[in-house]
Amino acid sequence: KNQVEQSPQSLIILEGKNCTLQCNYTVSPFSNLRWYKQDTGRGPVSLTIMTFSENTKSNGRYTATLDADTKQSSLHITASQLSDSASYICVVSATGGGNKLTFGTGTQLKVEL
Amino acid sequence: DTGVSQDPRHKITKRGQNVTFRCDPISEHNRLYWYRQTLGQGPEFLTYFQNEAQLEKSRLLSDRFSAERPKGSFSTLEIQRTEQGDSAMYLCASSLIQGPVSSPLHFGNGTRLTVT
Repeated sequence: KNQVEQSPQSLIILEGKNCTLQCNYTVSPFSNLRWYKQDTGRGPVSLTIMTFSENTKSNGRYTATLDADTKQSSLHITASQLSDSASYICVVSATGGGNKLTFGTGTQLKVEL
Repeated sequence: DTGVSQDPRHKITKRGQNVTFRCDPISEHNRLYWYRQTLGQGPEFLTYFQNEAQLEKSRLLSDRFSAERPKGSFSTLEIQRTEQGDSAMYLCASSLIQGPVSSPLHFGNGTRLTVT
């Protein structure tokens, strides 16, 4: 069964600090992995997308890494801001067309002063 | 704003009533998805359309749920005889599929349903 597990479930950090969120998956055959940011009461917004051959991808203060061998991904947030407070969802897509997306349950990040 | 729009944003209904939600995807997107999300969980797939064809339905989509995309543009999701367990955020998303290439899902801000 395809699964995506994220850790930690929740995280509180001080503004300006860095943090790293983890995503482990068992989706096969793997196509790509995406990180989404979901603000409270809003829909998820895509941050990064990585395919099998990509190890790292950055989007401003967000840097995602992918190790396709160990089936792990991380999202590193640098110099956190209050506006980074949100849920971060890892989504893994399998090949084969149709709806082959498996969502993680998300990491709830809170950035405090 | 040319993103995915959903209407209404909030809906409170009594158990047993029918409700209908609308989703307007990004105009050039050919795929439209419906998801359900409860607090602290990731979105759960309900169904998706390629143009006007409904190609897949989740087991979560009981016979009380029906979705349509009559002209391949906007979509509606109807829930009949609502139950308290239907209370959730209903998210719509769209994407553009061209051959093997798929754009990221673009989500709307959802319709929050509360069944009392």
